[in-house]
Order: sequence, then structure tokens, then C-alpha cells
Amino acid sequence: SYVLAQPPSESVAPGQTARITCGGKNIGSKSGHWYQQKPGQAPVLVVYDDSDRPSGIPERFSGSNSGNTATLTISRVEAGDEADYYCQVWDSSSDLVVFGGGTKLTVL
Amino acid sequence: QVQLQESGPGLVKPSQTLSLTCTVSGGSISSGGYYWSWIRQHPGKGLEWIGFIYYSGSTYYNPSLKSRVTISVDTSKNQFSLKLSSVTAADTAVFYCARVKPPAMDFDYWGQGTLVTVSS
Repeated sequence: SYVLAQPPSESVAPGQTARITCGGKNIGSKSGHWYQQKPGQAPVLVVYDDSDRPSGIPERFSGSNSGNTATLTISRVEAGDEADYYCQVWDSSSDLVVFGGGTKLTVL
Repeated sequence: QVQLQESGPGLVKPSQTLSLTCTVSGGSISSGGYYWSWIRQHPGKGLEWIGFIYYSGSTYYNPSLKSRVTISVDTSKNQFSLKLSSVTAADTAVFYCARVKPPAMDFDYWGQGTLVTVSS
């Protein structure tokens, strides 16, 4: 079955840029989505279709997807961005939703 | 603004069937155009997709749970439901319902989640 690999953790200083990767075989041929989940809360969609932002999501959140890696980029990181981030794709070959294992972003 | 709310018992005994309902407001399931999904999250762990349903009743399930899962829809009540049979302590998790937007199947609206504990 299709597997998405994320680093368990990343850390970044306030004001810097965070990049969270999501690796999968030829993931660039699929549409990648990203979710932010803060403790005790439901996930929130922050990027869909590789690089689109839902209404209300700051422009600081952006995404890209090519080859075997999708990337979520958070510019000018703020303390409030500290959360778990999950990538997700739809594997149409097996009709399966796949989530990455999640990355805990720590703002130093 | 679409809102989803999970409801159901917070405690289920081992070997019994876990039953949850998701009530949708701010949008009609029967309008079509979206799938309606269940996702679970074990304590301290990542997200696990359980399955989803279309208003017509068409379903997709995670193969790892397919033998124990049934998702159904009641368009008259604007609700969809989850049944997970033969539960064990390993099924203890927070269960979320969510709306799914085709064709890329992103989850654009989520319920707040409900914790279900399996214990005697």
C-alpha cells in the first residue's frame, strides 16, 4: 500500500521559515494536502491541491509537490504555528486515503 | 458555514459494537458533490482514515478495518453514521467526522472529535 513519510519533528525560530516534507513514491503525480492540528483540537486544512489555501489561512502557509516529495512551507513562523502537521493524498489506484505520520513543529 | 458534530457513547465494552453519528449543519448531504468521512486518532498518535460515504450510499473503506466497519447515511436527518464491530482496547481513540471534497479528496471541514474508550 502507498506510504507517506514525514520527519517526526522539526524546530524553527520565530520569524524564520519552516519546511516540512512528505515523501511518497511519485507523490508529484497526486494532489497533496496538509493539515494543522493543535493539542486537543481537530485538524484544520491549511493547504490543498498541493499549493492552494482555504479561505482564512494566512499567506504564510504555502505548498509544493514534485517528484517524490511534497513540502509545506511556513514563512515568518509565529509561536501560534506550533502544532502537528499531517500530509495526505488520495491513492486512486487502490481507492485509499493515506495520511503521513505527522510532524511536530516546535517554535523555539 | 458547514459544521459537523459527532455524538455517541464515550464508553464501549470489549467485543461490542461502537456506534457514532455525525450531524451535519450548514449544508445538505443530499445535495451531493461531497463525500462524508470518519477518521480516528489513537491517543498520542497520527490520523487513520476509516472510510467515507456518498449521499447515494456508495462507500469506500480502509482495507485494514473493512471487515468490521459499516458507514451509513440518513439524508432525511442530514446525518451519517459509523459502526465498528468487535471492538477491543486497541480501538480506543478520538473519532472525527469530516467532509471530503472530490476529486482530490481533501478533508475541508471537521467535527470537534469524540473520545471513545473501550473498556469493561
